[in-house]
Amino acid sequence: GAVVSQHPSWVICKSGTSVKIECRSLDFQATTMFWYRQFPKQSLMLMATSNEGSKATYEQGVEKDKFLINHASLTLSTLTVTSAHPEDSSFYICSAKVQGPGYIQYFGAGTRLSVL
Amino acid sequence: GENVEQHPSTLSVQEGDSAVIKCTYSDSASNYFPWYKQELGKRPQLIIDIRSNVGEKKDQRIAVTLNKTAKHFSLHITETQPEDSAVYFCAASNTGNQFYFGTGTSLTVIP
Repeated sequence: GAVVSQHPSWVICKSGTSVKIECRSLDFQATTMFWYRQFPKQSLMLMATSNEGSKATYEQGVEKDKFLINHASLTLSTLTVTSAHPEDSSFYICSAKVQGPGYIQYFGAGTRLSVL
Repeated sequence: GENVEQHPSTLSVQEGDSAVIKCTYSDSASNYFPWYKQELGKRPQLIIDIRSNVGEKKDQRIAVTLNKTAKHFSLHITETQPEDSAVYFCAASNTGNQFYFGTGTSLTVIP
C-alpha cells in the first residue's frame, strides 16, 4: 500500500527557534499533501493544502508566515514552524493524496512538537 | 467553510453488539465522506468511504450510510470486537480538495 513517511517523529526546541517537518510519499507521487494539527484527544484540524509547484492554500485562522509550507516535488512537502512558541506545541500530521482522480489520502505517523 | 459534527464523543458497547456513530456536515458541495480509525499513538487509517452518488456501502462488519438531503452520514459496526476499540473520525471533502474532520468518537468494546 501507499506509504507516507514523516520526519522527525518528535522534536523539542527552544522558544524562538524554527523547526522543519518533512512529509514524503515513498512509493507514489502526490500532487496534493495536507497538513493537520491534532491536539490531545481532539480531532484533526486542517491547516493547509499543499500542491506541488504552487503556493499552499491555508485555512482560515492559520498564519501562513508562521507555518511555511513548501511542496517542491511530487514526493516531498515540508512544514516549517517559524519562531516557535509554547502554544505551537502540538501533534502535526501530514497526509498525501495519490495522484489521479481518487480522493484517498494516506497519513504520516505524525510529529510531536514540544516548544520549551 | 465546511463544518462537520460527530456524535457521540464516547461510546461503550459489549462485545458482539453493534456500534453506530453519526456525523452531519454543512457544505452541500461535499461529495466524499471517509471514515478513519486511529489507535492510540498511531496514524489514522481509512476504514471505509462513500461518495455522494451512493446511499450505502458495506465492507464485512462495517457499513456507512449517507443521506444527502439531510446532510448526515453514519458508520455502523456490527459484531464488535475488542480490537475495534479506537477513536473514529468522520470527514467530509469536496472532490478531495480539502478534508474536514469530525471531533472523533472514542469507542470502547468491552469483552
